Amino acid sequence: DIQMTQSPSSLSASVGDRVTITCRASQSIANYLNWYQQKPGEAPKLLIYAASSLQSGVPSRFSGSGSGTDFTLTISSLQPEDFATYYCQQTYTTPTRTFGHGTKVEVK
Amino acid sequence: EVQLVESGGGLVQPGGSLRLSCAASGLTFSSSAMSWVRQAPGEGLEWVSSIDGSGANTYYADSVRGRFTISRDNSRNTLYLQMNSLRAEDTAIYYCARIVYCGSVSCNYFDHWGQGNLVTVSS
Repeated sequence: DIQMTQSPSSLSASVGDRVTITCRASQSIANYLNWYQQKPGEAPKLLIYAASSLQSGVPSRFSGSGSGTDFTLTISSLQPEDFATYYCQQTYTTPTRTFGHGTKVEVK
Repeated sequence: EVQLVESGGGLVQPGGSLRLSCAASGLTFSSSAMSWVRQAPGEGLEWVSSIDGSGANTYYADSVRGRFTISRDNSRNTLYLQMNSLRAEDTAIYYCARIVYCGSVSCNYFDHWGQGNLVTVSS
């Protein structure tokens, strides 16, 4: 099974900060990597698919990069509505899909 | 506007059964592959099961295979998850989600999610 490791598990940041979250796969998954945002009490929301494609309607301050085993989600300038938990998801082994354990972005 | 509305959750005793439903609107349901994803209290996301648009092909996580059954009724635009032999570790919020494919089998993502339905397994 492919394991997905996110780091850090949590971080504290201020509005306007540049935030970077990393997701590492235990083996190569090409670019089959998605990113989701989840706020408390809400369903996850798709941000990025196929490692770097921005989902329609998602602000351009969100970007994704990487391929193989190492991936990054970047928020270029953190906004108040961005405080949430972020999950990566590999789909290389579809139909089985694995999520990372999440990264919580908190107010500094 | 795509809407996915889950129902059928609640409290059930260990060893019991429950059936979740997910009513879909605003999409061509019979052409949409669908999935169930769960989230235990305070924990991360876990893919549970998926089904193709026709219902002919179904897939399960090892943790639920043999106990859960995914199905769909395209005439009612509804997705189901029949959960049998429930265990305490099945306690979670269950989400239904639409799967979108982006060029290959491995390129896919969940673009629309329901609001979630809580299942609690406890005596």
